[in-house]
Formats: sequence, C-alpha cells, structure tokens
Amino acid sequence: DTAVSQTPKYLVTQMGNDKSIKCEQNLGHDTMYWYKQDSKKFLKIMFSYNNKELIINETVPNRFSPKSPDKAHLNLHINSLELGDSAVYFCASSPQTSGRDSTQYFGPGTRLLVL
Amino acid sequence: KQEVTQIPAALSVPEGENLVLNCSFTDSAIYNLQWFRQDPGKGLTSLLLIQSSQREQTSGRLNASLDKSSGRSTLYIAASQPGDSATYLCAVRTPGANSKLTFGKGITLSVRP
Repeated sequence: DTAVSQTPKYLVTQMGNDKSIKCEQNLGHDTMYWYKQDSKKFLKIMFSYNNKELIINETVPNRFSPKSPDKAHLNLHINSLELGDSAVYFCASSPQTSGRDSTQYFGPGTRLLVL
Repeated sequence: KQEVTQIPAALSVPEGENLVLNCSFTDSAIYNLQWFRQDPGKGLTSLLLIQSSQREQTSGRLNASLDKSSGRSTLYIAASQPGDSATYLCAVRTPGANSKLTFGKGITLSVRP
C-alpha cells in the first residue's frame, strides 16, 4: 500500500541514452512533482502537474519531458542523457497545489547514474 | 527569489540532549513551512507543516516554530535518540496558484549512543 512509488529504484546507463522514470501515487492527490537532488544533496523542483496539467516548469533542459497520462501518474522521460544528469530524482504528490492541505508526500527516489 | 539556509550543515550530539535545528529564509511572503526528515538512501518524510498564520506545531518530541517576519524557523527535538539520526530539511512554500517548495540544503544530525 505504498503511497508514492517510483520505478526503477536504480538506473545505470550510458551517456546519450534515453530513459524513463515512472511515478504513481495512490493517495488521490491532485498535484504531482518531480524533484532533482544533486550530489551535494540540494533538492530542487523540476516540474509540477495539477490534474494532468503542467503548472511549474523550472529552468530544466528540453531533454527532460514529463508526461501525466492521468492524475495518479507522472512520468519523466530524459533524452540524450549527460553525465550531469546523475542525481537522485524524487517524485512527490500533494492534495492541492496551495492551500492548507498542501503537504507533500515523497516517493523513495530513483538513483540515476550516467556513465 | 526565495532562498532557504540551514546552518550548520552537520551536527553531532550525545543521546538524550535537547537540540534545536535552525532554518532561515529570505522572503517572508510564504504560505507555509515544512520540515522533512531524510534517511540515507531514502525519500523524504514530512514531519511538521506550519501555516504562515501559525507560530508553532508539535508532534511527539518534535516542536517546530515559525517567525515569519524575521524569516526564521526552528525544529526542536527533545530527548534525542540514535534513531533521530538523519538529515532534516526545511522547505518554504511560496504563495499563489503556482506555488512551489524551496528547500534548504539540510542539516545532517548524528545522535551518539
């Protein structure tokens, strides 16, 4: 009964490859997020979707493309992977984008290593 | 641009000690502030969320305070235990329809038995 799940947990790949990370939440939340945590442990938002609609797109290269097939899923596709993409990617969800009920719940993370 | 700072980056204390973790933010126009815990190799777990209109929140041995005007929050941990060892992150949420969380870099706490 995992609340926010991500697959895969680990991803090791070569530079130039294309890869996808999947995220699913079973909390019935309206809003989902992707965060990147770099080697210095700094956590920064990448994207946010509310009811399948993109609402936040932080200065992220076009090689990163989020896709939300439905409210419970937010996948992240990365084209032409680069060494600097190595990081831990976290998915999160919240009941609302703002308001009193905006506590975010995080997935376990996907550790991406680009060789 | 909102910036969140947590100092020191690491802290080591003996078991049983009461401790305070600090968080400061540059823009006082926040919607709420959230404290998270991150264990090594794991995701984030929400500990406490304080709305901008509140002064503090308590959960068990944890108490978080918020002074919005001065841009500060503290997380107080009473009677620390080795199981409290983790990284504690503070995050503030900006107001508005497209609000987002801005995180500090975290404080890595080690509680020695």
